[in-house]
Order: sequence, then C-alpha cells, then structure tokens
Amino acid sequence: TQLLEQSPQFLSIQEGENLTVYCNSSSVFSSLQWYRQEPGEGPVLLVTVVTGGEVKKLKRLTFQFGDARKDSSLHITAAQPGDTGLYLCAGINTGTASKLTFGTGTRLQVTL
Amino acid sequence: DAGVIQSPRHEVTEMGQEVTLRCKPISGHNSLFWYRQTMMRGLELLIYFNNNVPIDDSGMPEDRFSAKMPNASFSTLKIQPSEPRDSAVYFCASSRDRLLAKNIQYFGAGTRLSVL
Repeated sequence: TQLLEQSPQFLSIQEGENLTVYCNSSSVFSSLQWYRQEPGEGPVLLVTVVTGGEVKKLKRLTFQFGDARKDSSLHITAAQPGDTGLYLCAGINTGTASKLTFGTGTRLQVTL
Repeated sequence: DAGVIQSPRHEVTEMGQEVTLRCKPISGHNSLFWYRQTMMRGLELLIYFNNNVPIDDSGMPEDRFSAKMPNASFSTLKIQPSEPRDSAVYFCASSRDRLLAKNIQYFGAGTRLSVL
C-alpha cells in the first residue's frame, strides 16, 4: 500500500503568517493533487501538478512537486481565516488510472 | 450543475440494521467513487465504477459492504449488518475523465453515519 504522509498534522496560526505543509511518500507518483476540505463538505480540488519540479501558484498558495515526484509542498503566504480547513494531498499512479491515494491530512486553523 | 448529490446527509442507526447510502453523480461523468473518512484512517477509497461497472473494490472492508450502480445517474453503498466501527463520513465523488492528469474528482457533501 502506498502511503502519503503529511506534516504537520495540525497547525494553528494567526492571520498574516506564512506556512508550509508537506506531503511525502516513498513511492513515485505520475501526478499529485491538493484538495481543501471545509467542515461538513467534501474535498475540493485546488491544483494538479504533473511534472517533477513543477511549481504552480494559486493566488497566495504555491504548490511544488518534488523533482523525483515522491513529495510535494503547499506554501501559503499571509494566511487568512478563510484558509482554515483540512488540506489533503492525493497521488495518482500510472497503473491505477482513476485511483487516488490520499494523504493523512493537515488541519489548518487561522485565527484573527 | 447541481454537483454530486448524496443522501441522506446524516444517518443514525442501531447495530445490526441495514444502511443504504445514495449518490447521484454529475451528469455526463462516467466514473464514480465511494470513499470513507475517519479521524484514524483518513480518506479511503472503497470502490470505484467506470461506465457503471465496478473496476476496483479492493478497498471494501468486508462482505458486509456492497455497492451498485444500476445506471449512469445513481449508485448505492449498502452496509448489512452495520456495526459501530462503520461510523464515519462516507463520500461519493464523480469524474468525467480517466486520463491521469485530467482526473478531477468532484465530491458530494457526504453522509455522516453513526452506528450505535
């Protein structure tokens, strides 16, 4: 079974701070996705990274796929209360087509 | 589009009872997924269908769990008999494209199941 470990598990910060969430695996993935999940809702896709070393930006969020395609990071600049939620990475493998393997999750709380 | 629709949103039942969760995928999507989310195990894929055919059910925990997709617009996940350890949030998701990099899954709001 492929595992995607996320760190930290929990993060509580104040508005305006920066943070980085990590997603690590011993396995290689063909692509990786990041989702955000709010209480009482399902996960919502934020981004898909496909190429090793790829960097994508979504407003204050920066996503990076590791060169070896085994890890990824999500950096949030100047966090806002609206960023609060559960962040999940999910790996996709060549051999499993539609199947996503989700990470363990990072629960972020941003306070005023 | 209404998105993926799941029902019920909440289900409370007693151990031993049969539970049926329902899902209506987004129209035009040909892949449907059932997930279970718990604090201990995170988000786990139970089974997924492509064009109404089960492709991978390796995540189904045991014979008490079964899933069907009789047509492109409806799927059920059934637990019979239910046990307290089945308590979790169950999500249904659908996607249009099986291609790797374009695999965008849209999740429903989930069904929170409590088995007493």
